[in-house]
Amino acid sequence: DQQVKQNSPSLSVQEGRISILNCDYTNSMFDYFLWYKKYPAEGPTFLISISSIKDKNEDGRFTVFLNKSAKHLSLHIVPSQPGDSAVYFCAADSTAGGTSYGKLTFGQGTILTVHP
Amino acid sequence: NAGVMQNPRHLVRRRGQEARLRCSPMKGHSHVYWYRQLPEEGLKFMVYLQKENIIDESGMPKERFSAEFPKEGPSILRIQQVVRGDSAAYFCASSPRTGFYEQYFGPGTRLTVT
Repeated sequence: DQQVKQNSPSLSVQEGRISILNCDYTNSMFDYFLWYKKYPAEGPTFLISISSIKDKNEDGRFTVFLNKSAKHLSLHIVPSQPGDSAVYFCAADSTAGGTSYGKLTFGQGTILTVHP
Repeated sequence: NAGVMQNPRHLVRRRGQEARLRCSPMKGHSHVYWYRQLPEEGLKFMVYLQKENIIDESGMPKERFSAEFPKEGPSILRIQQVVRGDSAAYFCASSPRTGFYEQYFGPGTRLTVT
């Protein structure tokens, strides 16, 4: 039962262009979403997050958009840089009752390659 | 300002042996999470611990797996009588408090069962 899905295993973009990574979820209890970046042989690194009370959150070159009705979120990276090449995971949490255990549910990941 | 530390980074065990994976959270963090990543898959939650307490172990296999986070020392994930299907990358993450959603991950332990 894959509650968080990243349907694109890989994405290739040119340096300077926009990268758009997508994520869909099925569990309507999820109300907090995070994106992590992972390099080979390293652990995931937190990038950006968004609460379900918002539809957009921006941090420098990274913007996350949330469409609750479609149960869809996306990560935009503008402009893309070769150093952004990594695996990107979206993750979701349910904070029902106001307290989160931090039990994150991850998607399968999307491999982003940014070509110089 | 050390991050989350895990050791060993690589562990090879033969079928039937025990595997012990250690995780030292970031300084000041008292919440530890263990995740497992099988090949070609995302990370799957296993267990959430606070000092001396298991809070949520709903992702742990019912047999052979156990976890602890003692008052002193690192958190330990123990796998008894390992099988080939246990081969995976095991990541631990820490956070400073309940309700702090961003978790900081260690580099992982890659377990190979031969």
